Amino acid sequence: NAGVTQTPKFQVLKTGQSMTLQCAQDMNHEYMSWYRQDPGMGLRLIHYSVGAGITDQGEVPNGYNVSRSTTEDFPLRLLSAAPSQTSVYFCASSYRQGRRGRQHFGDGTRLSIL
Amino acid sequence: AQSVTQPDIHITVSEGASLELRCNYSYGATPYLFWYVQSPGQGLQLLLKYFSGDTLVQGIKGFEAEFKRSQSSFNLRKPSVHWSDAAEYFCAVGNAGNMLTFGGGTRLMVKP
Repeated sequence: NAGVTQTPKFQVLKTGQSMTLQCAQDMNHEYMSWYRQDPGMGLRLIHYSVGAGITDQGEVPNGYNVSRSTTEDFPLRLLSAAPSQTSVYFCASSYRQGRRGRQHFGDGTRLSIL
Repeated sequence: AQSVTQPDIHITVSEGASLELRCNYSYGATPYLFWYVQSPGQGLQLLLKYFSGDTLVQGIKGFEAEFKRSQSSFNLRKPSVHWSDAAEYFCAVGNAGNMLTFGGGTRLMVKP
């Protein structure tokens, strides 16, 4: 049982490049989400999903795309990287309402945009 | 919209001293409240959570937090701080969809 796995752990991109941050969970959680962490701002919700085929925007969705084709995977795509997207990205998963417990976080992806 | 405020950006305490980290929230319904800890370069670890019931919540590593609805607060406490408690602490409020809104964090430093 690996929990929430994020890849890669570190990435450096040039402005304008695209990439996909991977997130996978093996706990059969319905809910998955992406957060970005910036100094002094805590973590902010980018996008989330309440089940396969269902996604919605969080607080800071601009510049990011997501899809959820399976319960296990929830990739985050940067379409055209900008320096403002330099951040640490965390993926999280949890059971849905009624079985509300803790959010399980991955170890994060440190992304630098030059 | 929900929000969380952690008024103290940095706190320094001596090892063995007591600790209280402040958290104020804004949420329209009954809040689900959490405290997380993050060591440098690491992910987030859940210290404790409040969903309902007893307003004094016990967590891991000797931490506790008290929910005070009248003050919209959920302050984290520890009676005696250890050097290993040095880290960044985040308060968060969860909505009905399990999505979290975090405070800006409080960085704790522990003096020997």
